[in-house]
Amino acid sequence: AQTVTQSQPEMSVQEAETVTLSCTYDTSENNYYLFWYKQPPSRQMILVIRQEAYKQQNATENRFSVNFQKAAKSFSLKISDSQLGDTAMYFCAFMKGYSGGGADGLTFGKGTHLIIQP
Amino acid sequence: NAGVTQTPKFQVLKTGQSMTLQCAQDMNHNSMYWYRQDPGMGLRLIYYSASEGTTDKGEVPNGYNVSRLNKREFSLRLESAAPSQTSVYFCASNFMETSTQYFGPGTRLTVL
Repeated sequence: AQTVTQSQPEMSVQEAETVTLSCTYDTSENNYYLFWYKQPPSRQMILVIRQEAYKQQNATENRFSVNFQKAAKSFSLKISDSQLGDTAMYFCAFMKGYSGGGADGLTFGKGTHLIIQP
Repeated sequence: NAGVTQTPKFQVLKTGQSMTLQCAQDMNHNSMYWYRQDPGMGLRLIYYSASEGTTDKGEVPNGYNVSRLNKREFSLRLESAAPSQTSVYFCASNFMETSTQYFGPGTRLTVL
């Protein structure tokens, strides 16, 4: 079984600052995917960024980037030039690679509540 | 495209009552999922359907049943609701080409 750990229950930064959210995971799988999801107060789950474990290059999406350290089983999210709209819960999630029959479910961390102060 | 839709958005039940949460996706995805979200717990997998005609238990399946009605629809049934099932329920479907799950808006269920 996989586990995902987010050690920061809450973080607060000033608008325009850079913030890094931490995530570590434990698995014996070699083929897997990692994700960061954002959940604003509307409770909608929104995909922020994804990383394929077999790719060494870190994923980036505009102001969002990850630091993927496969050997250390670490997957942190960096948000640059933070904006008020980034205020939300952020969840790190793990999914095993396909075994032929379809896609398994996600294993989530408990989340980090990020607050962007004006 | 509506994406993933869920009904109802809110529901209040009394202990022992039954109900079915409905989920549908119009993205032609093969795999569908039900999660629950409790305060401070993140999302946990209840059941999933890797493909039409198959269903499998997730981390917290007790007290629930599911039906994959067709490729589009995946329902979650509570036969005898308990206060411990008070939660927010999310349905999701998976786009295999990018291994990405897309979520519905959620159902807030309260069991009194």
